[in-house]
Amino acid sequence: RKEVEQDPGPFNVPEGATVAFNCTYSNSASQSFFWYRQDCRKEPKLLMSVYSSGNEDGRFTAQLNRASQYISLLIRDSKLSDSATYLCVVNSNSGYALNFGKGTSLLVTP
Amino acid sequence: DAGVIQSPRHEVTEMGQEVTLRCKPISGHNSLFWYRQTMMRGLELLIYFNNNVPIDDSGMPEDRFSAKMPNASFSTLKIQPSEPRDSAVYFCASREREMVGELFFGEGSRLTVL
Repeated sequence: RKEVEQDPGPFNVPEGATVAFNCTYSNSASQSFFWYRQDCRKEPKLLMSVYSSGNEDGRFTAQLNRASQYISLLIRDSKLSDSATYLCVVNSNSGYALNFGKGTSLLVTP
Repeated sequence: DAGVIQSPRHEVTEMGQEVTLRCKPISGHNSLFWYRQTMMRGLELLIYFNNNVPIDDSGMPEDRFSAKMPNASFSTLKIQPSEPRDSAVYFCASREREMVGELFFGEGSRLTVL
């Protein structure tokens, strides 16, 4: 089983829609969780950290369920500029490095 | 501020040739990572350095791959001899402190081995 698993999509949604991505991780001892965004042929960039109590950053909401080892990202009022691949990230067994999911592709259409 | 700088951005080479990828981390960052990205496998961690010392190289696929960090501002990833299955985008990333904080990626080196 891969350490971080995501639905690859693609998710095709119209502008203004709400879309949710899910991710599961295998290491129950993981302590750090993130969502990164990667535009086509670009490097990944941090979108937001994920905290135990859940957190929001504008139109983006992240949730963590430790019991189910599940992370989610909700995007409200989707914009064309949200089109990208969203990578779920969890710290590795060693704690030093970060393990990335393969990503979920989002396409927001006019 | 300069971000993580990688070179070359693109490399096309023939099977059997040596490939050297270079990385300059963000000044003041103590941790450096090499990742490889392919469509099939996504982003895979190859090796991690902290304070210029290799901490975990369990992701290095085989002896053909080697990485060095001779000082805090420079790292190399070498493949010798290269094979077509090594074709991928190789990312270098750095982080300010061990185990803490955002990972900043370079723009990547796109390698094609014919």
